[in-house]
Amino acid sequence: DADVTQTPRNRITKTGKRIMLECSQTKGHDRMYWYRQDPGLGLRLIYYSFDVKDINKGEISDGYSVSRQAQAKFSLSLESAIPNQTALYFCATSDYRGRNEQYFGPGTRLTVT
Amino acid sequence: KNEVEQSPQNLTAQEGEFITINCSYSVGISALHWLQQHPGGGIVSLFMLSSGKKKHGRLIATINIQEKHSSLHITASHPRDSAVYICAVRLLGREKLTFGTGTRLTIIP
Repeated sequence: DADVTQTPRNRITKTGKRIMLECSQTKGHDRMYWYRQDPGLGLRLIYYSFDVKDINKGEISDGYSVSRQAQAKFSLSLESAIPNQTALYFCATSDYRGRNEQYFGPGTRLTVT
Repeated sequence: KNEVEQSPQNLTAQEGEFITINCSYSVGISALHWLQQHPGGGIVSLFMLSSGKKKHGRLIATINIQEKHSSLHITASHPRDSAVYICAVRLLGREKLTFGTGTRLTIIP
């Protein structure tokens, strides 16, 4: 089984709808991250969490919120989806201080119409 | 100017060729990562470097901290190496990674 899983893998939604993307990991890592990837741009950090009580905004957090329900689970919500949030979303994990490699989930392709 | 620049943006080569992908960065870093993104979208970490050179199979990654430059080499390239290769750096004093835009590699049989 994959160490980092994301659900759903693909989602089409309409403008204004609330949507939640979920991430689970079995690696026992303390740190979890949400990124988005757009064509021609590098991965950009939306939110990151050092543990269940520590949530931090990344470079593009506007329009998004997160919840760290447990060490193994980190959810990303779009409160009111808009078309420019159409992108590929990745969850990733890393261990203490993040100095070791990051482990990525398979990605969620989100389309907002 | 992006803090992380990769070159080339696209590279097409024949099977068996020696491949070099470059990454330059403009600020001090504590670590540099090379990632591989498969055509289906999944991302795999290949290397994390803070100095010197690392090798895994046909892949070799080097870093020159003074010149702020890293290279990823692939020996005896194969069509299955076709992917987007992404360089990412951890800036000094920062927790997050800053990513390059990737190099799309296509190996023709």
